[in-house]
Amino acid sequence: TQLLEQSPQFLSIQEGENLTVYCNSSSVFSSLQWYRQEPGEGPVLLVTVVTGGEVKKLKRLTFQFGDARKDSSLHITAAQPGDTGLYLCAGPPSNTNAGKSTFGDGTTLTVKP
Amino acid sequence: NAGVTQTPKFQVLKTGQSMTLQCAQDMNHEYMSWYRQDPGMGLRLIHYSVGAGITDQGEVPNGYNVSRSTTEDFPLRLLSAAPSQTSVYFCASSYSINYGATDTQYFGPGTRLTVL
Repeated sequence: TQLLEQSPQFLSIQEGENLTVYCNSSSVFSSLQWYRQEPGEGPVLLVTVVTGGEVKKLKRLTFQFGDARKDSSLHITAAQPGDTGLYLCAGPPSNTNAGKSTFGDGTTLTVKP
Repeated sequence: NAGVTQTPKFQVLKTGQSMTLQCAQDMNHEYMSWYRQDPGMGLRLIHYSVGAGITDQGEVPNGYNVSRSTTEDFPLRLLSAAPSQTSVYFCASSYSINYGATDTQYFGPGTRLTVL
């Protein structure tokens, strides 16, 4: 079974601060995805990273896939209250776990005005 | 497109009652799934379907049944509700979920279920 561990579990910061959240595994993934879930809503895809060492930017959000494809990070620059939510990383089905994607437990981010 | 829709949004049940959570998608996606989300935890897969007539168990299937008679609909049935099934339930769909797939999973808004 492929597991994804996210850290920190909770993060509370002031508007304007920078932050990084992590998604780690002992398994190699062919790709990883990051979803954001706002309170009372379902998760929404932010990005998919597919190549080891890949860096993708989405406005103030920077996503990186580890060289060994076992980990990923999400860095937010100058956080805003609108960034508040649960950030989930997800891995695709493996060849031994067909049809079942894997989700981490998430990082709950609160950005205070 | 409405995307993925779920009904009801909120539900309170008594222990032992049964009910069906409805899920529908209008994107012609083959893959649909049900997750539950508990406080401080991520998403745990209950059941999934790779196409009409095909379903399989996820990691927490006990106490739940599913069927997939059409591409669009994927209802989740609670046979005899228990307090441990108090949770938020999300339905999701995607184009495919093959090995290594990078397709987006589209989630519904969730059903918040309380079992007393």
